[in-house]
Amino acid sequence: SQTIHQWPATLVQPVGSPLSLECTVEGTSNPNLYWYRQAAGRGLQLLFYSVGIGQISSEVPQNLSASRPQDRQFILSSKKLLLSDSGFYLCAWKQGAEAFFGQGTRLTVV
Amino acid sequence: GQNIDQPTEMTATEGAIVQINCTYQTSGFNGLFWYQQHAGEAPTFLSYNVLDGLEEKGRFSSFLSRSKGYSYLLLKELQMKDSASYLCAVRVFKAAGNKLTFGGGTRVLVKP
Repeated sequence: SQTIHQWPATLVQPVGSPLSLECTVEGTSNPNLYWYRQAAGRGLQLLFYSVGIGQISSEVPQNLSASRPQDRQFILSSKKLLLSDSGFYLCAWKQGAEAFFGQGTRLTVV
Repeated sequence: GQNIDQPTEMTATEGAIVQINCTYQTSGFNGLFWYQQHAGEAPTFLSYNVLDGLEEKGRFSSFLSRSKGYSYLLLKELQMKDSASYLCAVRVFKAAGNKLTFGGGTRVLVKP
């Protein structure tokens, strides 16, 4: 069966510090992978999506970047966090008709 | 880009029926999804429509009209545990791959 792992679950980082969130998928090959951010009480904002190794599409200009070094690994990064980067970050994978989400990372930038 | 609109909040009584509407404007439409999200948790998949018509799954049904850019999620026999946000999402075909874009979500509060 397919599973998606995302970590850490919660993170508190100071402004100006770097960020690295990792997402891995098991039980499937060549999945479409997504990073979303959800502000408190709001909908999901698509940040990046990837259809394969090294292929990243960015949806909105921002302080974040994404990389896909391996088929089942998707990484969200920042060199210097801003207060506005706080939110609930969700990794998702899609194959066929369904999309599945990781548990999410609640990031608080202080 | 895509415009996806759904009401912000709805309130209903336990045992009743609630219909959550979603309208969208997009090119390259390739399917519409509904997700349920409890506070602090990741969304979970509820339904998927790619052709016009009604899809039924137990107490939940989803309808799609592609010509009208319209979908609804119908929740029957409401239970307290159905209190959650319901997210409408549109999949769009792009040369760079399918993109899944979400609406702002509808918060449903079920009252006894």
